[in-house]
Amino acid sequence: GNSVTQMEGPVTLSEEAFLTINCTYTATGYPSLFWYVQYPGEGLQLLLKATKADDKGSNKGFEATYRKETTSFHLEKGSVQVSDSAVYFCALTTTSGTYKYIFGTGTRLKVLA
Amino acid sequence: DAGVTQSPTHLIKTRGQQVTLRCSPKSGHDTVSWYQQALGQGPQFIFQYYEEEERQRGNFPDRFSGHQFPNYSSELNVNALLLGDSALYLCASIYNGQPAYEQYFGPGTRLTVT
Repeated sequence: GNSVTQMEGPVTLSEEAFLTINCTYTATGYPSLFWYVQYPGEGLQLLLKATKADDKGSNKGFEATYRKETTSFHLEKGSVQVSDSAVYFCALTTTSGTYKYIFGTGTRLKVLA
Repeated sequence: DAGVTQSPTHLIKTRGQQVTLRCSPKSGHDTVSWYQQALGQGPQFIFQYYEEEERQRGNFPDRFSGHQFPNYSSELNVNALLLGDSALYLCASIYNGQPAYEQYFGPGTRLTVT
């Protein structure tokens, strides 16, 4: 079946450090891939997306590239800020049109000033 | 546009009780999905409603049931609550036919079962 595996957290970085959060997936067909962010006490916000192989999603300085050959969608940011502290979820949905998301377990990021 | 709204924000129930959670989709959206997010875990798909019918269901027991109203709002009902049902329950909405990334999530209802 379809699944998403994320690196375990928490990840603790100093401000302006480089961030990588690994995500790999298993899926039939051609899934769309997403990164969602959840700030304390809030729901999920879409951070970025990629809908086909080699697509690069980007938003707010975050980037992730859809790598079909390695079934990966790693999240990166060149210089993190304290305000980036949150939980990050990698997710996929298949092209079946039913809008069912499969989420990873989440990675907590803590950025220290 | 208020986006996806959920009520109540927090809820405390006792084992064996029943609970109803509510979701109002974003304006223009007709499809509602429910997710359970246990502490420290990713959201798990419960079910999805479209045209007032359950269109797809995840791996949840029959104690979890739902309903969609003609105005597209939705309810999630959980019977015979267990301690393990304690979680954040998220609602998501979309207009059927749009790309999946157009799906919006609500802020969630935090359910605590004691």
